[in-house]
Amino acid sequence: SQELEQSPQSLIVQEGKNLTINCTSSKTLYGLYWYKQKYGEGLIFLMMLQKGGEEKSHEKITAKLDEKKQQSSLHITASQPSHAGIYLCGAQFGNEKLTFGTGTRLTIIP
Amino acid sequence: NAGVTQTPKFRILKIGQSMTLQCTQDMNHNYMYWYRQDPGMGLKLIYYSVGAGITDKGEVPNGYNVSRSTTEDFPLRLELAAPSQTSVYFCASSWAANNSPLHFGNGTRLTVT
Repeated sequence: SQELEQSPQSLIVQEGKNLTINCTSSKTLYGLYWYKQKYGEGLIFLMMLQKGGEEKSHEKITAKLDEKKQQSSLHITASQPSHAGIYLCGAQFGNEKLTFGTGTRLTIIP
Repeated sequence: NAGVTQTPKFRILKIGQSMTLQCTQDMNHNYMYWYRQDPGMGLKLIYYSVGAGITDKGEVPNGYNVSRSTTEDFPLRLELAAPSQTSVYFCASSWAANNSPLHFGNGTRLTVT
């Protein structure tokens, strides 16, 4: 069973619009990471969240971890073509190794 | 700063052939990992290492072997390639086991036919 669920699996958004990607777990997350992947390339680290209620922003991307530390959201404001790619959340459960969600494929249309 | 470097980028193998996927990092990270990424399945951990001379199995180790003779290098060996090993392989490294982002290479796309 998948311990991390991402939604939606794919997303098509018009350029300039806002969007949100969710990452949900049934267990408490001890570290939540967001990565972006472009086709043919590796994963680029975006942000790490550790504390319940924590929120971080970088340029037009904001990530939040809920108070219970079981859900995280990634919000993109005023999307641009450069935001297109696959977004993956990764999480640690206790001392276990990083587990990844199945990813959200984001397409930006003009 | 090169980060994590993987070679080759692409490879086609015939069933039963063997090969080694190379991975090297120049960040002096103790922790290194091998993941495979199948379409729609996210990343699965194959093997990992917490330092030179120490390796351990991940979630999907069958059909693979690793070694870690130096801090910089963490090669992944496929002894008898099978179609089920067709995937994209990513090597990664990190400073620590927890609360430390992984740095990924650009991947090796392997096809076994």
